[in-house]
Amino acid sequence: QKEVEQDPGPLSVPEGAIVSLNCTYSNSAFQYFMWYRQYSRKGPELLMYTYSSGNKEDGRFTAQVDKSSKYISLFIRDSQPSDSATYLCAMSAGAQKLVFGQGTRLTINP
Amino acid sequence: DGGITQSPKYLFRKEGQNVTLSCEQNLNHDAMYWYRQDPGQGLRLIYYSQIVNDFQKGDIAEGYSVSREKKESFPLTVTSAQKNPTAFYLCASSSPSDSLVLETQYFGPGTRLLVL
Repeated sequence: QKEVEQDPGPLSVPEGAIVSLNCTYSNSAFQYFMWYRQYSRKGPELLMYTYSSGNKEDGRFTAQVDKSSKYISLFIRDSQPSDSATYLCAMSAGAQKLVFGQGTRLTINP
Repeated sequence: DGGITQSPKYLFRKEGQNVTLSCEQNLNHDAMYWYRQDPGQGLRLIYYSQIVNDFQKGDIAEGYSVSREKKESFPLTVTSAQKNPTAFYLCASSSPSDSLVLETQYFGPGTRLLVL
């Protein structure tokens, strides 16, 4: 079993829809949680960062962490075609070593 | 402009050849990393270095080598021992002193390696 599981998709939704992206994990020592966005043939860019449990909001993006269920989510409101990308979850127990999910490929259709 | 640069953007390797991928950062970060990304897969850690002149193997180090002679540079060599080198290679850096975003890594634009 992988330490971090993420549905690879692809996920296709109409413009303006609410998108929900999720990851589950097995290592209860993880306490730093990140979401990266990766456009085709580019390096990943940090989108959201959360420490421990709870919610964090940044514009149209909301990150949620539920440590009791070992489940993290990224919500995108009012989705735009420019949000079309691969979204990678990543997490760490410390010591700067990140474990990444497989990535979910998202397409927003105009 | 602070950031991470990787070169070349595309690299072609012949059978039996060693090739070196460049990674430079001017973010004054202590730690640097190399990842490999295959289609439809997440990032897999090859090597990482937390300080100059020191580095550790990641999950898939076989067939790769690195050096860290300067804080800003972390080149990766793909040796002939790596039998399936075709992939997208990503370099990243992070700094434990960045208290606002601990454990966060920042990525370069990547190098695509293809075998001839």
